Amino acid sequence: RKEVEQDPGPFNVPEGATVAFNCTYSNSASQSFFWYRQDCRKEPKLLMSVYSSGNEDGRFTAQLNRASQYISLLIRDSKLSDSATYLCVVNPTSGTYKYIFGTGTRLKVLA
Amino acid sequence: NAGVTQTPKFQVLKTGQSMTLQCAQDMNHNSMYWYRQDPGMGLRLIYYSASEGTTDKGEVPNGYNVSRLNKREFSLRLESAAPSQTSVYFCASSEAWGKPETQYFGPGTRLLVL
Repeated sequence: RKEVEQDPGPFNVPEGATVAFNCTYSNSASQSFFWYRQDCRKEPKLLMSVYSSGNEDGRFTAQLNRASQYISLLIRDSKLSDSATYLCVVNPTSGTYKYIFGTGTRLKVLA
Repeated sequence: NAGVTQTPKFQVLKTGQSMTLQCAQDMNHNSMYWYRQDPGMGLRLIYYSASEGTTDKGEVPNGYNVSRLNKREFSLRLESAAPSQTSVYFCASSEAWGKPETQYFGPGTRLLVL
């Protein structure tokens, strides 16, 4: 089993739709979780951290489910500009450099 | 602020050739990283420098060397390029080691080894 797994997609959704992605992780002791956004042929950029209590930033909501070992990203009222690949990042061991990147989920928002 | 800059943007090498990828940051960050990104795989850490004067191996260090020239600059060297090193290379920096929420990536270097 991969340490971090994501559905590669693509998720094709119309503008205004709500879409959600999950990311599963294998190490139950994992400490830190993040979502990054990567546009085609560009560098990854931090979208948001994922806290135990959840995290919301405008149209974006991230949640952590430790019991089932996954994190989720919900995007409401999708915009064309949300089209990108969303990378899940997990730190399996606190205090180390070791951040595991998922392969990403591709989102296409259609007009 | 330019953030993290990388040179070159593109490079084609023949097997066995050597080259150095340059990276610089102007955010006064302490930690710097080199990653590679391949299709179907997540970003993988090659080497990192937790602070000026230190470097350590990441997940996939074989075939690479690094130099933390000063606080701003962190270079990656391929001594004898192999086709398996065809990839997109990203440099990144963060305020401190182990603080990915402060991590910024450079625009990447696309390397093709023939």
